[in-house]
Amino acid sequence: EAQVTQNPRYLITVTGKKLTVTCSQNMNHEYMSWYRQDPGLGLRQIYYSMNVEVTDKGDVPEGYKVSRKEKRNFPLILESPSPNQTSLYFCASSPSPSGGGNEQFFGPGTRLTVL
Amino acid sequence: GENVEQHPSTLSVQEGDSAVIKCTYSDSASNYFPWYKQELGKGPQLIIDIRSNVGEKKDQRIAVTLNKTAKHFSLHITETQPEDSAVYFCAATPGGYQKVTFGTGTKLQVIP
Repeated sequence: EAQVTQNPRYLITVTGKKLTVTCSQNMNHEYMSWYRQDPGLGLRQIYYSMNVEVTDKGDVPEGYKVSRKEKRNFPLILESPSPNQTSLYFCASSPSPSGGGNEQFFGPGTRLTVL
Repeated sequence: GENVEQHPSTLSVQEGDSAVIKCTYSDSASNYFPWYKQELGKGPQLIIDIRSNVGEKKDQRIAVTLNKTAKHFSLHITETQPEDSAVYFCAATPGGYQKVTFGTGTKLQVIP
């Protein structure tokens, strides 16, 4: 089944404790992206990756890191989480765009709480 | 950068009525405009999209219109059903491997 998987689905942690949220897709997509969803703010892009070893900042990259060592994986790293990073996080992937833009396939989400 | 505004933030309609959600964007370089539906506890899922060389696109009860001059696009849902109840997001992107900017979402409630 074609899908985007995220782990963990739920996470409660404390300020300053490094964590990684994994994202994996099995559709051989070039483009992958991370979003955070907050009430009233919609989805905001954190980082995106155009292919292996190519990443770029979205609109809210502060406090986050990413890496793209393999095409299928795009982990999100919070090296020193803070309470303002409490949010619902989504990973998404998209095939190579033709004619500009393409459908993104979203994972099920990771609900993160930082105490 | 791109800025996408979405209205209304909440919308209640009677079953069978139509629903319209509107978005405006700021960057004239944006050329791909998808609409996503998010059901409770799930990730967003594409329901329809439109590219800048097209003014209107329809898929059964769902349609999207685009006015490039005014920089706005709208989602139209006709003959609404209770299963249409969800949060809907618009988005704009310059296309290709670029940043994607989403609207703030519209919570649609269809009352049986």
